[in-house]
Amino acid sequence: GNSVTQMEGPVTLSEEAFLTINCTYTATGYPSLFWYVQYPGEGLQLLLKATKADDKGSNKGFEATYRKETTSFHLEKGSVQVSDSAVYFCALQGPGTASKLTFGTGTRLQVTL
Amino acid sequence: DAMVIQNPRYQVTQFGKPVTLSCSQTLNHNVMYWYQQKSSQAPKLLFHYYDKDFNNEADTPDNFQSRRPNTSFCFLDIRSPGLGDAAMYLCATSPRGVEQFFGPGTRLTVL
Repeated sequence: GNSVTQMEGPVTLSEEAFLTINCTYTATGYPSLFWYVQYPGEGLQLLLKATKADDKGSNKGFEATYRKETTSFHLEKGSVQVSDSAVYFCALQGPGTASKLTFGTGTRLQVTL
Repeated sequence: DAMVIQNPRYQVTQFGKPVTLSCSQTLNHNVMYWYQQKSSQAPKLLFHYYDKDFNNEADTPDNFQSRRPNTSFCFLDIRSPGLGDAAMYLCATSPRGVEQFFGPGTRLTVL
């Protein structure tokens, strides 16, 4: 079956530091890959996505590249801000309509001044 | 703005007292999902509707039911809430299941 593995948190960084959150996946076929962000007490917001190999998703300074050869979709940001403090979920969705999202366990990011 | 709306944002109920959570959408999406998210965990899919077709996850307890009277609305009914059902409940929608858009969630407390 499908699965997603994320690096354990929490990740604590100083403002303007470089961020990497690792995500690897196991899936049959060619899934779509997503990063969702969840701020305290809120629902999930789609941060970025990639639907095929070598696609790069980007949004708000965050980037992730769909690497089929390493089955990875690592999230990066060059300079984090305090407002980026949240929980980040990597997820995949198999091909086919209404196929379910498989989430990683989430990584909590705490950015300090 | 088009969006997914969940009401109420916070719900308190008593052990065993039925409760209904509401989700509405202005996106006109075919697919609506209900997830349960417990503290510090990933969301867990309970069920989804593709148009009027209901799809239950195999491990969703019978205590959880859902209704979708029209495209815009979907309800989650918990018939006899237990302490273990305290969680954030997330509704999501999707156009043909390709990408999911989440509402803000309802936090359920069971006393």
